[in-house]
Amino acid sequence: NAGVMQNPRHLVRRRGQEARLRCSPMKGHSHVYWYRQLPEEGLKFMVYLQKENIIDESGMPKERFSAEFPKEGPSILRIQQVVRGDSAAYFCASSPRRDRAHEQYFGPGTRLTVT
Amino acid sequence: AQTVTQSQPEMSVQEAETVTLSCTYDTSESDYYLFWYKQPPSRQMILVIRQEAYKQQNATENRFSVNFQKAAKSFSLKISDSQLGDAAMYFCAYRRSLGGAQKLVFGQGTRLTINP
Repeated sequence: NAGVMQNPRHLVRRRGQEARLRCSPMKGHSHVYWYRQLPEEGLKFMVYLQKENIIDESGMPKERFSAEFPKEGPSILRIQQVVRGDSAAYFCASSPRRDRAHEQYFGPGTRLTVT
Repeated sequence: AQTVTQSQPEMSVQEAETVTLSCTYDTSESDYYLFWYKQPPSRQMILVIRQEAYKQQNATENRFSVNFQKAAKSFSLKISDSQLGDAAMYFCAYRRSLGGAQKLVFGQGTRLTINP
């Protein structure tokens, strides 16, 4: 039973480029959460998605960031025109149902470096 | 808004000794979950222990136990018989139980060093 998969594990982008981070939830899980961890800080919630729906995007920056979770395929966190401040570790977690959000299983994270 | 505070940026303990990590939180909710996560150098987030606020009994997982004081909004983690593999960042987290946001709210973390 594979866990939550994230790829790539490491991503280097130049300022102004686009970054695409992928998350495949655990088998049977249809809820995905994205968190960002800046250096030496705790994780901060970004967005919560269900298949084909954004449920809560209260933690997403208003510009340049978007997320989707299509009916087929992984969830994607997209950052357009990256800046140095976007350098962080991005974690995805999944849960089986909304009422089991306390059972969030985390992926290994994607470390984004903007040069 | 709910907040989680870990007042100890760093802690160290001798191998085989016991250490307690502190966590306080602020909420107006009566039902919620509290968690301790471990983040080793690999950065993988590993769930250590979970407590449901309506349960008075403190959760225990092998060498890990919590002291949950609901009235004081305190949720400390005790690690007994510390091992070298326990060295990591430890994060306390909170989640509302009913409706609304399903997100986890994390503290700033405590870096735990184990001295051999």
